[in-house]
Amino acid sequence: KAGVTQTPRYLIKTRGQQVTLSCSPISGHRSVSWYQQTPGQGLQFLFEYFSETQRNKGNFPGRFSGRQFSNSRSEMNVSTLELGDSALYLCASSVQTGSTEAFFGQGTRLTVV
Amino acid sequence: DAKTTQPPSMDCAEGRAANLPCNHSTISGNEYVYWYRQIHSQGPQYIIHGLKNNETNEMASLIITEDRKSSTLILPHATLRDTAVYYCIVRGHNNAGNMLTFGGGTRLMVKP
Repeated sequence: KAGVTQTPRYLIKTRGQQVTLSCSPISGHRSVSWYQQTPGQGLQFLFEYFSETQRNKGNFPGRFSGRQFSNSRSEMNVSTLELGDSALYLCASSVQTGSTEAFFGQGTRLTVV
Repeated sequence: DAKTTQPPSMDCAEGRAANLPCNHSTISGNEYVYWYRQIHSQGPQYIIHGLKNNETNEMASLIITEDRKSSTLILPHATLRDTAVYYCIVRGHNNAGNMLTFGGGTRLMVKP
């Protein structure tokens, strides 16, 4: 069974631009969560989607948004990029919301210059 | 979700047991203890979870104290590939969500 796939793996963007990251969960999984990892703040929860609906949201500004499609694939978007948005963005998939186990992808490394 | 406290780093000799402690003194009755690890440049990996009984799987054992205020993750025969950051997370199952609150974790270095 294929794991969680995140694309692209690496990305360089300029301040002020916007970016879209993609996550394909494990087949049959309907919940997708997104996390940001930085050296200073560690791993922080962004949001969770289940059945195309946002279920939980972390403490991030409105520039961070996401969505989930009917096939459970998810995208997250960051608008008006800032230098501080440089981070590893991780996606986790679970069978359903409230699951005991989350499976993480390899992440997308975003660098904002 | 309750907060956890872990030592920032630990060393372990290859082949020996690695015992990673975690304090969660404010844990509530319906909260579980989860362990994840993150090997460098990879996403976190689920290891094990428990409520109050000790648990064991093919990766590790989880020992939870009777008062549930602390727990220990045991890797019985650590290998070099177990070098990673280990996160102890406390989470309830009644919040109808999959949010995980990661702390700083313990950086385990397994040495030859």
